[in-house]
Amino acid sequence: DIQLTQSPSFLSASVGDRVTITCRASQGISNYLAWYQQKPGQAPKLLIYAASTLQSGVPSRFSGSGSGTEFALTISSLQPEDFATYYCQQLYSYPYTFGQGTKLEIK
Amino acid sequence: EVQLVESGGGLVQPGGSLRLSCVASGFTFSTYGMNWVRQAPGKGLEWVSYIGSSDTTIYYADSVQGRFTISRDNAKNSLYLQMSSLRDEDTAVYFCARGRPPDSWGQGTLVTVSS
Repeated sequence: DIQLTQSPSFLSASVGDRVTITCRASQGISNYLAWYQQKPGQAPKLLIYAASTLQSGVPSRFSGSGSGTEFALTISSLQPEDFATYYCQQLYSYPYTFGQGTKLEIK
Repeated sequence: EVQLVESGGGLVQPGGSLRLSCVASGFTFSTYGMNWVRQAPGKGLEWVSYIGSSDTTIYYADSVQGRFTISRDNAKNSLYLQMSSLRDEDTAVYFCARGRPPDSWGQGTLVTVSS
């Protein structure tokens, strides 16, 4: 199975900051990577797919990059509603594993 | 508007069985593959199973292989997860989610396995 390792696991930042979360795959997955945002008590929300394609309706301050084994999710200017937990997921081969999550908290 | 509504969760003893359902609306259900994803209390997301649009393609996580069965009824716009030989570690909120990657999710149904 493909393992995904996110870093950091916890991130403290302020409104207006630029933040980057990374996701490393245990083997090459081309660009078969998605990013999700989850707030407490809610279902996950798809932000980015195919590593860098923004899902419809997602603000442009979110962006994704990477290919192969190294990927990144960047939020260019944090807004209050962005404080949440973020997950990456590989869709290269089954089982479609998730990263362990990155909790983004207000500083 | 896409809607996915799960049901069937509850309290079950270890070794027991449970069947989850997910009713879809707002899109052509028969043209989408569907997933079950779970989340144990306070933990991260775990992909559980996928079924293709015509149910000829099915995959499971190793942790549920042989115990869980995914199925669908396109005439009823419904997705199912039959769970048997349940273990404590199957306790989680179970989400159904549309497509690859999952772009729409239900709100989840809680399954608690405990004696």
